[in-house]
Amino acid sequence: GEDVEQSLFLSVREGDSSVINCTYTDSSSTYLYWYKQEPGAGLQLLTYIFSNMDMKQDQRLTVLLNKKDKHLSLRIADTQTGDSAIYFCAESSEISGGSYIPTFGRGTSLIVHP
Amino acid sequence: DAGVTQSPTHLIKTRGQQVTLRCSPKSGHDTVSWYQQALGQGPQFIFQYYEEEERQRGNFPDRFSGHQFPNYSSELNVNALLLGDSALYLCASTPRGYTEAFFGQGTRLTVV
Repeated sequence: GEDVEQSLFLSVREGDSSVINCTYTDSSSTYLYWYKQEPGAGLQLLTYIFSNMDMKQDQRLTVLLNKKDKHLSLRIADTQTGDSAIYFCAESSEISGGSYIPTFGRGTSLIVHP
Repeated sequence: DAGVTQSPTHLIKTRGQQVTLRCSPKSGHDTVSWYQQALGQGPQFIFQYYEEEERQRGNFPDRFSGHQFPNYSSELNVNALLLGDSALYLCASTPRGYTEAFFGQGTRLTVV
């Protein structure tokens, strides 16, 4: 099975909160990331959380980590139409030489409608 | 400060040909990684370069090779192109001592 799993689609109304969920399998994951990809573009790093944290908040974004269940979520408050994009969850652990290679899920397509 | 830049933006090649994609990392970033993103999929790790050496490699055949130059820029070469190599190829750079990867806009490769 996949190392990182996400639901494929989420549809919300403008102004509501969006919650995108992700599960991962690697218990040694050290960093967990959320990336955003708009049509025809590369990936934009939104935020990341270290595995010894439970929560991280950054303006409209809140990341929650349940390490026991290997579950990560991204909450976007007051979702706007400009938030419509694909959101990727990724995890990484240290590989030899101090490098971290993120492993990505398939992405969740967030559709925000008026 | 320019971000990660990739060239070309789009490319069409014929099956069996060879292709070279280029990447310039963000200023101060010394580690470059390459990813392949097929339509509807997440990015898949190809390899990572650091100090002009391939440090890590994903599950890709030897047809995929790379290079990193002293100025940290990098190339991805793919030989004997297959139709299945059609994808968005993403380059990401990471500053020394950090884990966050910053991505370029990608090169859309179409093999016909």
